Amino acid sequence: RKEVEQDPGPFNVPEGATVAFNCTYSNSASQSFFWYRQDCRKEPKLLMSVYSSGNEDGRFTAQLNRASQYISLLIRDSKLSDSATYLCVVNRGGSARQLTFGSGTQLTVLP
Amino acid sequence: GAGVSQSPSNKVTEKGKDVELRCDPISGHTALYWYRQSLGQGLEFLIYFQGNSAPDKSGLPSDRFSAERTGGSVSTLTIQRTQQEDSAVYLCASSLGGGQGYTFGSGTRLTVV
Repeated sequence: RKEVEQDPGPFNVPEGATVAFNCTYSNSASQSFFWYRQDCRKEPKLLMSVYSSGNEDGRFTAQLNRASQYISLLIRDSKLSDSATYLCVVNRGGSARQLTFGSGTQLTVLP
Repeated sequence: GAGVSQSPSNKVTEKGKDVELRCDPISGHTALYWYRQSLGQGLEFLIYFQGNSAPDKSGLPSDRFSAERTGGSVSTLTIQRTQQEDSAVYLCASSLGGGQGYTFGSGTRLTVV
């Protein structure tokens, strides 16, 4: 089983739609959680951290369920510029500090 | 500089040659990471440096791969006797440590022919 699992998609949605991505992680000791965005042939960029109480940044909402080891990202009012691959990221837990990346979910927002 | 700088941006090498990839992290970032990403694949962890501690080399795929970080700043990833399966984008990232999010460089695209 992969440490971080995501639905690879692709998700094709019309502009203005609401779309949700899910992610599960296997290491219950993980303590840090993030969503990254990666555009085609570009490096990943931090989109937002994910906090236990859930957090929002404009049109983006992230949720964490530690009991189910589940993370989600909700994008409201999708824009064409949201088209990218979204990577679910967790730290490995314990003394390890490196982050483990999911394979990503591809989103295309259509005009 | 303002961001993580990697060089070269592209490298084409012949099978069996050695290559060196360079990363200059954000000033003040104590943690430095190397990952690689093969075409259409996720990011694969290679090695992690934190301050003066011994690096975590648990992700290096073979003994042909090595990395060093001089003076707690610039890092060099060396691949000896390159193979075609080494072809990938090699990404360097830095952070303040403590499990915080990283900032990535734009990567080195390595092609072994």
